[in-house]
Amino acid sequence: DVVMTQSPLSLPVTLGQSASISCRSSQSLVYSDGDTYLTWFQQRPGQSPRRLIYKVSNRDSGVPDRFSGSGSGTDFTLKISRVEAEDVGVYYCMQGTHWPLTFGGGTKVEIK
Amino acid sequence: QVTLRESGPALVKPTQTLTLTCTFSGFSLSTSEMCVSWIRQSPGKALEWLARIDWDDDKHYRTSLKTRLTISKDTSKNQVVLTMTNMDPVDTGTYYCARRAGNSGLDYWGRGTVVTVSS
Repeated sequence: DVVMTQSPLSLPVTLGQSASISCRSSQSLVYSDGDTYLTWFQQRPGQSPRRLIYKVSNRDSGVPDRFSGSGSGTDFTLKISRVEAEDVGVYYCMQGTHWPLTFGGGTKVEIK
Repeated sequence: QVTLRESGPALVKPTQTLTLTCTFSGFSLSTSEMCVSWIRQSPGKALEWLARIDWDDDKHYRTSLKTRLTISKDTSKNQVVLTMTNMDPVDTGTYYCARRAGNSGLDYWGRGTVVTVSS
């Protein structure tokens, strides 16, 4: 299975500052169709995962433009600019290129 | 509006069979490229994909759990059912169903149902 490694595990952030989460895969996530199936989810306390970004950098409808995704191959980043209190939660990356789907271990974002 | 809701027993005994139902609305599982997956989240562990059923009744299972899992759909009821046999305490966790439409990945998730395996 493709291993997804996220860092850091915990990310204390000051309100209004930016935050970056890294996600690395053990294999390239470029699929034979040319697309890269890397997704980012946000899981707020007590809630189910909510998709933020799909195919590396496509933001879902209703997701603030403070969230952006980037990267290629095996190295990906989720950036949150101007962190707000509602951004507290755990963030997961997931790859959908190889069977089975696999998730990163999660990064907990908290306010300092 | 797409919604999914998981239901099933909150407590099962070791060796018993777990049956979970995902009831959804806002889409049809007979539409091309629609799929529903089951994912679980054990306490303190990462999310783990379990199984998927596609619009054409194609089924996919996590290799390590393949002998214990069965996924099925009832298109007329807008439901997907997952059964997991021989439950063990390590199977304790929150079980989610989620939709995939086309190749954009899992876009909508249910709220999850908590399952505890204990005698």
